[in-house]
Amino acid sequence: GENVEQHPSTLSVQEGDSAVIKCTYSDSASNYFPWYKQELGKRPQLIIDIRSNVGEKKDQRIAVTLNKTAKHFSLHITETQPEDSAVYFCAPNTGFQKLVFGTGTRLLVSP
Amino acid sequence: DTAVSQTPKYLVTQMGNDKSIKCEQNLGHDTMYWYKQDSKKFLKIMFSYNNKELIINETVPNRFSPKSPDKAHLNLHINSLELGDSAVYFCASSLGRIGELFFGEGSRLTVL
Repeated sequence: GENVEQHPSTLSVQEGDSAVIKCTYSDSASNYFPWYKQELGKRPQLIIDIRSNVGEKKDQRIAVTLNKTAKHFSLHITETQPEDSAVYFCAPNTGFQKLVFGTGTRLLVSP
Repeated sequence: DTAVSQTPKYLVTQMGNDKSIKCEQNLGHDTMYWYKQDSKKFLKIMFSYNNKELIINETVPNRFSPKSPDKAHLNLHINSLELGDSAVYFCASSLGRIGELFFGEGSRLTVL
């Protein structure tokens, strides 16, 4: 299956707060789990990714955690800043070797 | 030095017309894609080519025809445009079939 859902669909936080976005997928063959950020009017860009042999990966203020048993992975952003405001997409691969983009989460960080 | 470039950036056209979007990448990648992003921001893969060979062909109307003359280029031709074709079309490339996607700036197509 290729169901990829994200929650929440929108998230509003105050600057400095943490934000967590969850991605649930259905294909048990998935082994690559990236997150993309798309600012308004711009192209999507990779911000962090993880492979199935690792449970967690961190890069400065962002981290990704993976629960392969439960088929979900999450994006964590700490100390949010207004420039983190964007739409975030997860895009796990499928057994057919393609990335399927999630439904997207609009993050708004208020100063 | 643009990595993935697509032209044109904007197209406004009438229903029934035919249009093409061109894409070029200078990253040396072997895989290229077309994605469609609708007004709700959903990103859906349409086609993928690996070394000029079509490897992914989603349920897309026959009016859409991709063409990859070489590994660095992937074009999209659309016949008999319909209102529902209005969207932003993104070209992307990657090294291998599973890995970081590098997107172009997008081509916004408006069908009137």
